[in-house]
Amino acid sequence: EVQLVESGGGLVQPGGSLRLSCAASGFTFSSYGLNWVRQPPGKGLEWLSYISSTASPMYYADSVKGRFTISRDYAKNSLYLQMNGLRDEDTAVYYCARGSTSSSHLDYWGQGTLVTVSS
Amino acid sequence: NFMLTQPHSVSESPGKTVTISCTRSSGTIASSYVQWYQQRPGSAPTTVIYEDYQRPSGVPDRFSGSIDSSSNSASLTISGLKTEDEADYYCQSYDSSNQNRVFGGGTKLTVL
Repeated sequence: EVQLVESGGGLVQPGGSLRLSCAASGFTFSSYGLNWVRQPPGKGLEWLSYISSTASPMYYADSVKGRFTISRDYAKNSLYLQMNGLRDEDTAVYYCARGSTSSSHLDYWGQGTLVTVSS
Repeated sequence: NFMLTQPHSVSESPGKTVTISCTRSSGTIASSYVQWYQQRPGSAPTTVIYEDYQRPSGVPDRFSGSIDSSSNSASLTISGLKTEDEADYYCQSYDSSNQNRVFGGGTKLTVL
């Protein structure tokens, strides 16, 4: 069974940093691209970033480019999102999602971790 | 870059059929696959339609997807509505100009 479990969310002050993790299991980690998607409270989904199965290339939404960095660790079967320069508008539930091998379909999602940016 | 526009909300009665549209602002809708996700309150999204019209195993055939090039839009149709279908629905596609994934703004479906 495919499982994605996010962790690392919490309360952080504006301008601060946070690193999210996503532990993957139930599939061959090195064969799939992975995504981060967020959802502000009461709002819609926003795609943030993608990392390929080979860790390159990586892509980012304009809203986080230069502030967030996606990475993966094959030994730990884990995906990461390093978030720097956090702003109030980054407050959201952050999901990791597996990418399908055949299209941009996000076929499995974690349950999400809440990041709150506030002073 | 393009946007995907969905109606903010739709409502229909149990047993009826509802269609949710997803209109692409520029470029052709058929140039990239469209996915549809269902999200119930407090839960992560799950796929109801992928690659325009494919249904994942476990999704009932009451859910169907289509593409209309004349209106440059994709549609999700749910027939035989059940109260359990009440949820938010998001369309999603791919922008080949920057390799970004794009979500529509979401549609709240009320079954009453």
